[in-house]
Amino acid sequence: GAVVSQHPSWVICKSGTSVKIECRSLDFQATTMFWYRQFPKQSLMLMATSNEGSKATYEQGVEKDKFLINHASLTLSTLTVTSAHPEDSSFYICSARDPNDRDPDTQYFGPGTRLTVL
Amino acid sequence: GQSLEQPSEVTAVEGAIVQINCTYQTSGFYGLSWYQQHDGGAPTFLSYNALDGLEETGRFSSFLSRSDSYGYLLLQELQMKDSASYFCAVSSNDYKLSFGAGTTVTVRA
Repeated sequence: GAVVSQHPSWVICKSGTSVKIECRSLDFQATTMFWYRQFPKQSLMLMATSNEGSKATYEQGVEKDKFLINHASLTLSTLTVTSAHPEDSSFYICSARDPNDRDPDTQYFGPGTRLTVL
Repeated sequence: GQSLEQPSEVTAVEGAIVQINCTYQTSGFYGLSWYQQHDGGAPTFLSYNALDGLEETGRFSSFLSRSDSYGYLLLQELQMKDSASYFCAVSSNDYKLSFGAGTTVTVRA
């Protein structure tokens, strides 16, 4: 099956710094990747849709200047949390859609990145 | 917008059968997916239904009724390792997934 990786798996940073999270599709080309945030004991909330070669589409309420998304190639999308604050501490998960999958609606999730902002 | 409802938690014993229901209200419905998530882990894909009926994958089955905006995930021969959160998710015409709040399944010996 399709494999998606994320790096780093966890990160601790000081308030005010920026953190970059990478999401890679390892064995397929993903024209579309998605970024989610999940707080403890809650559901996954879609933050944005990352499209290769074009600007990301952000969900309502998500600050695009704070959460910078770049999808520079068909296998890599990055999420940069700029000027992170403690309330940004969360589990960030990316997913990718394989357009050649039997069910192209299926999303394959990365292992997630746990961000803790001190 | 999208709205999904599923029970918050279910407890059952090993070997039992558990059914997790999911009702949804959505515009532009394409399909219903189910994901499993263990504590501290990422969601893993279980099943996808685009058409009415039952899809069986080993011990897990998923059902969809589009006319009723309803689906369920059936877990059979429960094992301890099945203790996890289970999310239903609706996909819309832009391939976005909207997740339900999740059902915590606890399997007891």
